[in-house]
Amino acid sequence: KAGVTQTPRYLIKTRGQQVTLSCSPISGHRSVSWYQQTPGQGLQFLFEYFSETQRNKGNFPGRFSGRQFSNSRSEMNVSTLELGDSALYLCASRSGVAATDTQYFGPGTRLTVL
Amino acid sequence: GQNIDQPTEMTATEGAIVQINCTYQTSGFNGLFWYQQHAGEAPTFLSYNVLDGLEEKGRFSSFLSRSKGYSYLLLKELQMKDSASYLCAVRPLRSSGDKLTFGTGTRLAVRP
Repeated sequence: KAGVTQTPRYLIKTRGQQVTLSCSPISGHRSVSWYQQTPGQGLQFLFEYFSETQRNKGNFPGRFSGRQFSNSRSEMNVSTLELGDSALYLCASRSGVAATDTQYFGPGTRLTVL
Repeated sequence: GQNIDQPTEMTATEGAIVQINCTYQTSGFNGLFWYQQHAGEAPTFLSYNVLDGLEEKGRFSSFLSRSKGYSYLLLKELQMKDSASYLCAVRPLRSSGDKLTFGTGTRLAVRP
């Protein structure tokens, strides 16, 4: 079974621009979560989608948004980019939303904001 | 809210045993995960504990004490490829918003 895929793998943008990242979960997985990873802060939760509905949200400004499609694929959008948004953005999928459902991570998108 | 603490860095010798500790404070508890992350790669799942006690899986074991808010990951017969960051993550109860919260990770260096 194919793993979680994310596109693009690398992205360079300038301040003020916007960016859209894409995530395709493992086949059959209906939950997709997004994380931001930086050296100083570690993995920070952004949001989780299940069946096209946002069920959890982290403490990030409204510039960060996401959505999920009927095929469970998810996109994350960041508007008005700031230098501090440079990070590795990880997507993780799990089959459902039970506590025991393990999250499996994609390879990430490395975003650099200049 | 949630607070998770892990040592920042550890060093160990090939063939030895190392224990990586994780303490947490959370609004309700619904499971603890350990992930391994090699530099430049995605985290990969290692173990899940929800009940007190030791879970063994090959060279890796994970222990949980819910009353103490404490877990550890035990790595035996260390190999060079075990050099990586080890992330502890806690899932609170759904009533508290069950999003997975990660510690900042422990960077383990295995030396020959």
